Amino acid sequence: NAGVTQTPKFQVLKTGQSMTLQCAQDMNHNSMYWYRQDPGMGLRLIYYSASEGTTDKGEVPNGYNVSRLNKREFSLRLESAAPSQTSVYFCASSRSRYGNQPQHFGDGTRLSIL
Amino acid sequence: TQLLEQSPQFLSIQEGENLTVYCNSSSVFSSLQWYRQEPGEGPVLLVTVVTGGEVKKLKRLTFQFGDARKDSSLHITAAQPGDTGLYLCAGALSSGGSNYKLTFGKGTLLTVNP
Repeated sequence: NAGVTQTPKFQVLKTGQSMTLQCAQDMNHNSMYWYRQDPGMGLRLIYYSASEGTTDKGEVPNGYNVSRLNKREFSLRLESAAPSQTSVYFCASSRSRYGNQPQHFGDGTRLSIL
Repeated sequence: TQLLEQSPQFLSIQEGENLTVYCNSSSVFSSLQWYRQEPGEGPVLLVTVVTGGEVKKLKRLTFQFGDARKDSSLHITAAQPGDTGLYLCAGALSSGGSNYKLTFGKGTLLTVNP
């Protein structure tokens, strides 16, 4: 049972480079989310997709773009990476956008921007 | 300003001790979830509480949702080293229409020493 799969697990970039973080879920969930986790800051929502075909900004969207490619896949793109984007990125999915639905998380992508 | 305040931020105890961690807010949540995160992994859902005053038990863990749905607590009885991890609370707030987003606290890092 894969659940939520994130690739890559680790990445080092230079300032100004671009990259795309991939996320796929195999639970037939409708909603998907991207978070970043920084020491002392908890989990902060970057973007979310309540259902296939829709995306919305979260708490910290600046510097990021997302694509809901299909029901399974939700990617996060950094167009011009900055050191402030060094973080652990988590993708999550849930059955629906309603608040009492549990979110299932991947194991994260550890991203360092030099 | 953090919407959900968790306390304490760090807690180190001996095996067999009892402990309580808190999650407080000035906002009313439609539901509140507790997650546990182990190093190198994503958060895993422990419980969802929905009704004010609700108490749920999961083996040695007892979760309570405040009567006004603004706060919650997690009590662990006879802690074991396997309980070590980051405990996160997350509240669901309406973001418009029937869409909801989870807001996470910064977490309580629990270490149980053998």
